[in-house]
Order: sequence, then structure tokens, then C-alpha cells
Amino acid sequence: KQEVTQIPAALSVPEGENLVLNCSFTDSAIYNLQWFRQDPGKGLTSLLLIQSSQREQTSGRLNASLDKSSGRSTLYIAASQPGDSATYLCAPGRNAGNMLTFGGGTRLMVKP
Amino acid sequence: SAVISQKPSRDICQRGTSLTIQCQVDSQVTMMFWYRQQPGQSLTLIATANQGSEATYESGFVIDKFPISRPNLTFSTLTVSNMSPEDSSIYLCSVGTGNTYEQYFGPGTRLTVT
Repeated sequence: KQEVTQIPAALSVPEGENLVLNCSFTDSAIYNLQWFRQDPGKGLTSLLLIQSSQREQTSGRLNASLDKSSGRSTLYIAASQPGDSATYLCAPGRNAGNMLTFGGGTRLMVKP
Repeated sequence: SAVISQKPSRDICQRGTSLTIQCQVDSQVTMMFWYRQQPGQSLTLIATANQGSEATYESGFVIDKFPISRPNLTFSTLTVSNMSPEDSSIYLCSVGTGNTYEQYFGPGTRLTVT
């Protein structure tokens, strides 16, 4: 059974800092890995998807890396802004249908 | 991407009753999923909703408690049956799109059982 751990569980930083959010998973036989953002009381927004054959994906100030063999993924957020405050969820997917297993999330607060 | 809507957005229900949650997608999709997010917790997959066949349930979830329908490629329902306060959660549907099955989520249904 896949288990996903995200570290740190919570993070509070001043605006402008570069951030690293870590995700580890126990079963390396994944199909894809997605990073999501969840705002309080809202649904999930897909940030990045890394296919199992890829090493990284970038979107704007976000960069996600994947080391499938060691069961790790990292989300980098450059030049953080108060609008980045949210919970960030890592979710490796299994099988061709990409059924997701979610980590507990990192709750990020960026202070102006 | 896909635009997903859910009804109702929230509800307060009494113990022992049932609630049916609807999920509508703006395009035809093969894969639809239902997740539960209990208070203060992350998301857990309940089942994969298959068009034209029975849903596939994850360990710990059973059809009698969470019956699912998938009548076509744009719509699905999840029923939470014989509810108890432990069923109070946010229920989210998602769809997998494209060759990568990237998942997109609906806004969720916040259920409170009293």
C-alpha cells in the first residue's frame, strides 16, 4: 500500500523567500505524480504533473522534480508571495488510470 | 483541462438518512473518481466510477455504503447511505484527462451529519 509523507507539515516564511517542499512515497511503481494546491474551503488546483519517465516539470515560479527510484519529489517555489499561501498536496498515481494517493500536505503561510 | 461542477455544494443531514451527490463534467472523460476529505485530513480515494460497469472500490469502502452511478461519460453520482456523524466530510469528484490522466477536481460537497 502506497504511503505518502510530506515535510514540513507547516511552513511560515517572509515574502520573497525561495521554498522547498518535500514529498516521499514508499512504492516507486508510480504512473505519474501530481502537485496540487488547496485553498481553505476550496477544491484542489492542479499545479504540475510529472510523468514517471520525467525528472522535472516547470510552470512559472514552480518547479517540481521527481526521483522515482528513491521515492522522492520536491516542489520548489521561487520568490514566494502572500498569494502562495495555501496547502500543497503531493499525490503519486498508480496504474494507467492514475489513481492518486495523497500526502498529508504542507500548509504554507507567506507573510508580507 | 476540464470544468467540473458538483451539487449540492454543502448539506446538513440527519443521522440515518442518505444523500446523493452529483458530479458533472463539461467534456467526455473516461476516468472519474470520488474522494473523501475528513476534517483536518488529506484526501482518500473512495472509488473509480466506470462508465457502463460497476464502480471499483478501494479497501475500506463498500458499495452498500457508497453506491455510485456512471450513466454516461460526463456525469456520475455518489450516494452516502445510512449516514452517521463519522461521514461528515468533504466529498470531491475528479476526472482524469488526456494521455497522462492528469486529474482535475470539482469544488467539493461539504457534508455535515447531525
